[in-house]
Amino acid sequence: EVQLVESGGGLVKPGRSLRLSCTASGFTFGDYGMGWFRQAPGKGLEWVGFIRSKAYGGTTDYAASVRGRFSISREDSKHFAYLQLNSLKSEDTAVYYCARANCRGGSCFDYWGQGTLVTVSS
Amino acid sequence: QSVLTQPPSVSAAPGQKVTISCSGSSSNIGNNYVSWFQQLPQTAPKLLIYENNMRPSGIPDRFSGSKSGTSATLGITGLQTGDEADYYCGTWDSTLGSGYVFGTGTKVTVL
Repeated sequence: EVQLVESGGGLVKPGRSLRLSCTASGFTFGDYGMGWFRQAPGKGLEWVGFIRSKAYGGTTDYAASVRGRFSISREDSKHFAYLQLNSLKSEDTAVYYCARANCRGGSCFDYWGQGTLVTVSS
Repeated sequence: QSVLTQPPSVSAAPGQKVTISCSGSSSNIGNNYVSWFQQLPQTAPKLLIYENNMRPSGIPDRFSGSKSGTSATLGITGLQTGDEADYYCGTWDSTLGSGYVFGTGTKVTVL
């Protein structure tokens, strides 16, 4: 059974950093790209970024709202993906989800974690 | 700031049918596969439809998807109280730096 579990969320002051983890099980983690998403309280879904599998260079892309502040990495041997959040702002407050990219050309995200809440407040 | 436009809400009685539209452009829906997600209250999104009209294993055939040009549609037939949720369309956008984009979201209410 495919499972994704996020962790690392919490309350953090503006300007500080946080690292979120996404641990995967039930599939060959290294074969898949992974996406990070977020949802601010009462708002819709927002894509944060994406990391390709090593077969596709392991490269990353980011939403304009987080580019230069957030970074994604992966540790295939441990089945982990990470989202490093730096220079946090109040508008980064959200539930953060990781999801597996699948389907033709990685066109869909078929499994999602339960999410971890990040609250940025002084 | 969502790139894809959905109606804020739709409603119908149990057993009836609803459709949800998702309007985009040639850089997203027009040239990429569309997915649909269901988000029940206080839960993570769940993939309902992928590649425009395909259902993952376990998703009942009451849910259907279609795409035409720069728009996509989700249909739900035989509406059940358990279908009350927010629904989002999503797809990749080919515009440089845009990444994956979602619709504005539609709240389905079962009357």
